[in-house]
Amino acid sequence: AQKVTQAQTEISVVEKEDVTLDCVYETRDTTYYLFWYKQPPSGELVFLIRRNSFDEQNEISGRYSWNFQKSTSSFNFTITASQVVDSAVYFCALSEAHRGSTLGRLYFGRGTQLTVWP
Amino acid sequence: EAGVTQFPSHSVIEKGQTVTLRCDPISGHDNLYWYRRVMGKEIKFLLHFVKESKQDESGMPNNRFLAERTGGTYSTLKVQPAELEDSGVYFCASSQGTGYNQPQHFGDGTRLSIL
Repeated sequence: AQKVTQAQTEISVVEKEDVTLDCVYETRDTTYYLFWYKQPPSGELVFLIRRNSFDEQNEISGRYSWNFQKSTSSFNFTITASQVVDSAVYFCALSEAHRGSTLGRLYFGRGTQLTVWP
Repeated sequence: EAGVTQFPSHSVIEKGQTVTLRCDPISGHDNLYWYRRVMGKEIKFLLHFVKESKQDESGMPNNRFLAERTGGTYSTLKVQPAELEDSGVYFCASSQGTGYNQPQHFGDGTRLSIL
């Protein structure tokens, strides 16, 4: 079973629009971490944010914000006033901490291709 | 500080041949991971090193894949013999510390094409 689901395969918006990328995860652990990575056309995976399972406070970093809701097992990512440079594939990932799990092993979603048009 | 570097960036080989991918982690990072993304699918874990020791290689597809990390520095991933289904992008990542919460820093990946 998929541990991380990103239901949106592709999203297209026009510059300055707000856009939300959805991420739903599945784990039996009470302690875990969630991550978002960005993969621009150049190919590298760029770390954006890490959130632990005990901290449900939303986080804002410039035009980026993240909404973590344990009740719905979701960790959604919103870009406000999108720009062309935001065009990339965005991956949501989960790291578990139960006995026997590989420390740091990431379970990724399939990614959401975001295209921002000028 | 140099990031994670991978070589080559792109490799095209024929079925049955051998290919070796290399990863140089960030200096001082004990944890090194290999992942693979087959087209259209999620990025999947292959294996994890702590220094020179393999901690988990449960994600390795089969015994045609061999990973090494001699001396706990750079790592190599050899595919021998390569099959068509091995095509994809192979990512290497490294992190410091011993926790599961440390962000992993990824390289640009090696795009492997098997003809």
